[in-house]
Amino acid sequence: DIQMTQSPSSLSASVGDRVTITCRASQSISRYLNWYQQKPGEAPKLLIYAASSLRSGVPSRFSGSGSGTDFTLTISSLQPEDFATYYCQQSYSTPYSFGQGTKLEIK
Amino acid sequence: QLQLQESGPGLVKPSETLSLTCTVSGGSISSSSYYWGWIRQPPGKGLEWIGSIYYSGSTYYNPSLKSRVTISVDTSKNQFSLNLSSVTAADTAVYYCACRISSTWSTYNWFDPWGQGTLVTVSS
Repeated sequence: DIQMTQSPSSLSASVGDRVTITCRASQSISRYLNWYQQKPGEAPKLLIYAASSLRSGVPSRFSGSGSGTDFTLTISSLQPEDFATYYCQQSYSTPYSFGQGTKLEIK
Repeated sequence: QLQLQESGPGLVKPSETLSLTCTVSGGSISSSSYYWGWIRQPPGKGLEWIGSIYYSGSTYYNPSLKSRVTISVDTSKNQFSLNLSSVTAADTAVYYCACRISSTWSTYNWFDPWGQGTLVTVSS
């Protein structure tokens, strides 16, 4: 099974900050990496698929990069609605697996 | 656009079977572009993929749950279902159904959209 590890587990930042979240796979997954945003009481929502493709309707301040084992999600200028928990997910092979999540909080 | 909605009991007794249904609207469950999946999230914890099914009935399960999980599809009702047997308190979670979409230009795939989720508590 492929293990996904995110860092940091939590992060405090201010509106307007540039933020980067890292996701590492236990083996190469090419670009089979997706990012989701989850707000309290809501279902996860897709942000980025195939490592760097922005889902339609997602603001362009979100971007993804990486391939192989190391990936990043970057928010270029934090907005109040971006404070949430972010998960990476590998879709290279079953069982599909998620990172443990990164909780982004307001400083 | 696709919408998914979970339904089923919110309380299940230990050792019994958890049964949930996901109703798909805004599209056909028989589309060749989609797989359908179940994902769960224990309170305050992360996400765990349970399994996926194609409209033909082909299934993929998480080995950690495989001995207890059955996922089925009813194309006439545009629904798919989850059965999880011999539940314990560790199975208490929000259960989500989701559509697994594959890219038309590659084998990349992702979950989108998700249902709103339903909390299932295992307790006597």
